[in-house]
Amino acid sequence: AQKVTQAQTEISVVEKEDVTLDCVYETRDTTYYLFWYKQPPSGELVFLIRRNSFDEQNEISGRYSWNFQKSTSSFNFTITASQVVDSAVYFCALSELTQGGSEKLVFGKGTKLTVNP
Amino acid sequence: EPEVTQTPSHQVTQMGQEVILRCVPISNHLYFYWYRQILGQKVEFLVSFYNNEISEKSEIFDDQFSVERPDGSNFTLKIRSTKLEDSAMYFCASSGAGGRSPLHFGNGTRLTVT
Repeated sequence: AQKVTQAQTEISVVEKEDVTLDCVYETRDTTYYLFWYKQPPSGELVFLIRRNSFDEQNEISGRYSWNFQKSTSSFNFTITASQVVDSAVYFCALSELTQGGSEKLVFGKGTKLTVNP
Repeated sequence: EPEVTQTPSHQVTQMGQEVILRCVPISNHLYFYWYRQILGQKVEFLVSFYNNEISEKSEIFDDQFSVERPDGSNFTLKIRSTKLEDSAMYFCASSGAGGRSPLHFGNGTRLTVT
C-alpha cells in the first residue's frame, strides 16, 4: 500500500533561517506523482509542486526548492531564508491510480512550520 | 484561472441531522473527489466519482455518506445522520480527462457537529 511519512511533526525556526522538510514515501507503482501542499491557518490547501516519478531533476522556485531522490524514496522540500508568512502546515502527498481510473492522493501527516520573527 | 468552489465555508449542524456539502468543480473536468481532514490530522481520501458513479471509496465512506452530481455543474456530499466525529474540514477536488491529470482542490467546508 502507498504510504507517506513526514517524520518531523513540528519545526520552529527564526526568520531568515533555511529549513528542510522531509518526506519519505512507499509505493509499488513505477509511475507516480509526488506533491507538496501548504495549509495556512485559514485552512485551504495551497498547491506547491507536482513531480513525476521519471523526473528526478531538482526544482527551484524562488525561495522554494525540492530534492527528489528515487534511490531513497525521498522528496524533501527546502525553504531558503524563511519568512513569517511561511508559517503553515506542509503536507507531502503521493498519487495512487485506482482501478477505476481516478487518481487519489495519499497524504503524510504534515509538518507544522513556525517561523518566528 | 478556473477554480473549484465550495459552499458553505463553514457549516454547523446538530448531531443526527442531515447535511449536504456543495462543490462546483472546474467545468471541463471529469473526475470528482471528496477528501476529509479531521482537525490537526492528515488529509484523507473519501471517494472519487466518474461518469456518474463512484469510482473508488475508502473505508471511511460508509452508508452514512453519499455523493451526487445532480446537474451538470454541482457535486455534493451528503451525510445522512451526522455524528460528532464527522466534524472536519471537507475538501472537494476535480481533475481533467485521464487518471493522471492534476487535482484541483477547493478551499474546503469546515463542518462542526454539535
